[in-house]
Amino acid sequence: DAMVIQNPRYQVTQFGKPVTLSCSQTLNHNVMYWYQQKSSQAPKLLFHYYDKDFNNEADTPDNFQSRRPNTSFCFLDIRSPGLGDAAMYLCATKYREDQPQHFGDGTRLSIL
Amino acid sequence: QKEVEQDPGPLSVPEGAIVSLNCTYSNSAFQYFMWYRQYSRKGPELLMYTYSSGNKEDGRFTAQVDKSSKYISLFIRDSQPSDSATYLCAMYSRSNDYKLSFGAGTTVTVRA
Repeated sequence: DAMVIQNPRYQVTQFGKPVTLSCSQTLNHNVMYWYQQKSSQAPKLLFHYYDKDFNNEADTPDNFQSRRPNTSFCFLDIRSPGLGDAAMYLCATKYREDQPQHFGDGTRLSIL
Repeated sequence: QKEVEQDPGPLSVPEGAIVSLNCTYSNSAFQYFMWYRQYSRKGPELLMYTYSSGNKEDGRFTAQVDKSSKYISLFIRDSQPSDSATYLCAMYSRSNDYKLSFGAGTTVTVRA
């Protein structure tokens, strides 16, 4: 059974139209991450939560925001998507800092 | 120079061959090393996880870490077409806040 679940798997939005991607986990993990992965590239960390503490990467555009209303759920909001934001967005979790991350299957975002 | 170097391939081998993948890194502080397997349009799946130097075996997979040479390897014995995927090495340490540093990923095709 999938333990890190991302919805939807595929999302199409229009240029400039806000979009929200969601991630849920059944592992009761404290740490949740959002990554952006473009074709043939490694995942790029956008931000992460340690419990409720939010940590933004220095080079994450202001266009990207996140919310974590409870342990199980985390959301990625893209306020005004541009063509360059078309990518796979991956959510990952782990229970403790020194443990490996477990990824969901991602949401593939297309921008029209 | 990238922090983690990985030959992107592609690598094509016949079924039953041994697949050898490797990564080099520059940050001697890295303590935790892992290999992820990523199928097309899926999220990375944790394959092997090791702490510090040494070998770890799991079925047809063997991971090796040589911290003195800053070199990690993954071997796949008796390769199968189902092993066709992109393999990402990744590593982290307490000093980089346990954030993953990825290699570029190696695309492997096992021919039937």
